[in-house]
Amino acid sequence: SQTIHQWPATLVQPVGSPLSLECTVEGTSNPNLYWYRQAAGRGLQLLFYSVGIGQISSEVPQNLSASRPQDRQFILSSKKLLLSDSGFYLCAWSAGRGEQFFGPGTRLTVL
Amino acid sequence: AQSVTQLDSQVPVFEEAPVELRCNYSSSVSVYLFWYVQYPNQGLQLLLKYLSGSTLVKGINGFEAEFNKSQTSFHLRKPSVHISDTAEYFCAGSHTGGFKTIFGAGTRLFVKA
Repeated sequence: SQTIHQWPATLVQPVGSPLSLECTVEGTSNPNLYWYRQAAGRGLQLLFYSVGIGQISSEVPQNLSASRPQDRQFILSSKKLLLSDSGFYLCAWSAGRGEQFFGPGTRLTVL
Repeated sequence: AQSVTQLDSQVPVFEEAPVELRCNYSSSVSVYLFWYVQYPNQGLQLLLKYLSGSTLVKGINGFEAEFNKSQTSFHLRKPSVHISDTAEYFCAGSHTGGFKTIFGAGTRLFVKA
């Protein structure tokens, strides 16, 4: 069966520090991968998606970036965090154009 | 889907009462539709999906939804809710030929004893 992992589960970072969040998927190959951000009490904002290694589509201009160095690994990064980057970050995968399967999320607090 | 609208931000309901969470979508092409549930500090879990075929879709935890193309709706229902159904519910849609899913803003279901 397929599983999706995210780490860390929680993170507290100072403003201006770098960020690296990792997501890995097991049990499937060539998944579509997605990064979402969920602000407190808000819906999901799609940040990036990838349909293959090295292929990244950005949805929202911001100080975040994403990379896909391996087929089942998706990384969200920032060189300098802003207060507004605080939120709940969710990684998801899909096999094609149907449902998405979500990871457990990372709670990021920028102070 | 080009947009997904959840008509209620919060729905309070008593335990064992029926509930309906409303969702409307707009799209000029065929769509897939989904309902997800999110418990506090967790990821989203798929409740049910409509891809094609029967317009009445049954999901996990006793939930069901009906795809109504003429009204562009996909409302979620449960005949009798439990305290444990308290969570955030998201309606979502994607074009049958697309990679992206559009999520509604979410409806917080609060089940009271």
